[in-house]
Amino acid sequence: GIQVEQSPPDLILQEGANSTLRCNFSDSVNNLQWFHQNPWGQLINLFYIPSGTKQNGRLSATTVATERYSLLYISSSQTTDSGVYFCAVDYYTGGFKTIFGAGTRLFVKA
Amino acid sequence: EAEVAQSPRYKITEKSQAVAFWCDPISGHATLYWYRQILGQGPELLVQFQDESVVDDSQLPKDRFSAERLKGVDSTLKIQPAELGDSAMYLCASSKDRAEAFFGQGTRLTVV
Repeated sequence: GIQVEQSPPDLILQEGANSTLRCNFSDSVNNLQWFHQNPWGQLINLFYIPSGTKQNGRLSATTVATERYSLLYISSSQTTDSGVYFCAVDYYTGGFKTIFGAGTRLFVKA
Repeated sequence: EAEVAQSPRYKITEKSQAVAFWCDPISGHATLYWYRQILGQGPELLVQFQDESVVDDSQLPKDRFSAERLKGVDSTLKIQPAELGDSAMYLCASSKDRAEAFFGQGTRLTVV
């Protein structure tokens, strides 16, 4: 099956710093989402981005489907950005399946 | 704003007991997913419904887990009997036509 790898696994930032999170996938996908998991466990939608670039405030994402990767950019990080960031891909293999990466654990220090 | 509803939020049960979780998807979303997330890992898909039909349950431990979505709207996930290793967060999500998926707040299960 498809492999989804996220990097780095852990990241510590000083408040105000910028960061880039990466999601690599081993085969073609139908769509890709980025989520932020808050301390209470809920997955918050950040981007639905099968291809191209999107921006939402301090966050932006780019997916290059032909090269099988997606990037999540966080600018001017805040302590509330702390948590786990997941990418999830949807792909077809005799039926549609969804698989999550292992996540990037981000801690932003005040 | 429409959201996916899950209950209960927290559940503590003794091993060998039965436990059930409920999910009400966003209105109009035909696709419903149940995920299990073990602490420190990403969510793992257990079962996926399209309307009332199961389209993927390849990762569902069918000897003890069952899921239904009888009228194609809300869904129930059951575990019987619960085992210590079932302690995890159980997440429900829904999407329209397999596009963007939205998650509920989850049920945190502790088996003692």
